[in-house]
Amino acid sequence: GQSLEQPSEVTAVEGAIVQINCTYQTSGFYGLSWYQQHDGGAPTFLSYNGLDGLEETGRFSSFLSRSDSYGYLLLQELQMKDSASYFCAVRGSTGGFKTIFGAGTRLFVKA
Amino acid sequence: NAGVTQTPKFRVLKTGQSMTLLCAQDMNHEYMYWYRQDPGMGLRLIHYSVGEGTTAKGEVPDGYNVSRLKKQNFLLGLESAAPSQTSVYFCASRAAGGLDYEQYFGPGTRLTVT
Repeated sequence: GQSLEQPSEVTAVEGAIVQINCTYQTSGFYGLSWYQQHDGGAPTFLSYNGLDGLEETGRFSSFLSRSDSYGYLLLQELQMKDSASYFCAVRGSTGGFKTIFGAGTRLFVKA
Repeated sequence: NAGVTQTPKFRVLKTGQSMTLLCAQDMNHEYMYWYRQDPGMGLRLIHYSVGEGTTAKGEVPDGYNVSRLKKQNFLLGLESAAPSQTSVYFCASRAAGGLDYEQYFGPGTRLTVT
């Protein structure tokens, strides 16, 4: 089967850097994605890693190590508006076009 | 360009009642998905569709049915609602080709079954 593990909560101060880790187990692997969700809102796509290494998009970066079945989302220069839930998601080779989401990490940014 | 829309936004049902949730997308996406989100459990896939006229089961399909008669619409039906189906329901779509990422989500439907 497929499963993902990520911390339930992370707290950081404004202006700091925070890393949210995600480990996964899948039968086959077709990429790790990250989504952001504010309270009461819909998930929105942040980044995708299909190959090992770092992908950077502005203040956000995402990293993948396929040999370790591990990835992380790095948020730099934290702002209050970054307070949200962050989900990692993975698609394996079973189940057709299904993407499995982690339970989410709630990020609290303090002033 | 509205993206993905869902109706209704809120609904309260009594146990045993039925209802249909409508998802519509105007991006000409092939793939559409229905998820439910419960506290602390992330998003769980109910059913999905890879094209007009096709549907398939996800992780938690029991108690739900779907139809994709038109490419832009994906309907989720509850035939006999149960309190365990109280949840927030999200619809999503994505373009065909490439890998399964960058899904576009609707605003969600908050359903309470009493």
